Amino acid sequence: EVQLVESGGGLVQPGGSLKLSCAGSGFSFSGSAIHWVRQASGKGLEWVGRIRSNTNNYATAYAASVKGRFTISRDDSKNTAYLQMDGLTTDDTAVYYCGRSVGLDSSDYRGQGTLVTVSS
Amino acid sequence: DIQMTQSPSSVSASVGDRITITCRSSQNIYNYISWYQKRPGRAPKLLINDVSSLQSGVPSRFSGSGSVAQFTLTITGLQPEDSATYYCQHTYSSPYTFGQGTKLEIK
Repeated sequence: EVQLVESGGGLVQPGGSLKLSCAGSGFSFSGSAIHWVRQASGKGLEWVGRIRSNTNNYATAYAASVKGRFTISRDDSKNTAYLQMDGLTTDDTAVYYCGRSVGLDSSDYRGQGTLVTVSS
Repeated sequence: DIQMTQSPSSVSASVGDRITITCRSSQNIYNYISWYQKRPGRAPKLLINDVSSLQSGVPSRFSGSGSVAQFTLTITGLQPEDSATYYCQHTYSSPYTFGQGTKLEIK
């Protein structure tokens, strides 16, 4: 069974940092691109970014709203991807989900998400 | 960046009805479109990828179609559990933007 479990969310002050983790199982983690998406309360879905597999040189891409502040990485030996978030603002408050790539880079999200709250 | 314009923003329908949600992209995105269902407190659920490929376990009352820059999600024989917000997303080139969402209410 495919599983993806996000963790690492919490309360952080504006300007602070947080690192989210995404642990995958039940599929070829190392062969899959991993995406991050978020949803702020009462708002729509926002794609955050993705990291491709080793065979695609771990290429990353980001939404304009997070580029330069967020970094996606992965450790295939641990079947885990990460979302390092720096320079957080209140606009980054949201539930964050990770997903594995399917087909033409769609994403299959399975976890419960992790809540990030940026507040003083 | 490619923009995705989704309509309608909300729809109300009865059990057994058929509804269609439309997504227009600002340029040709070929087959690079997916549809998601989002319920409160749950992860986005991938329904359809690559225009019309139904994900395993998704009921056949969901279907997708379209080409170039206009795409549709159709739900036939609506069920109470279909109450949710639906989103399209392109994955042609980053950033992979979502549509604004369509909130489906089952009367």
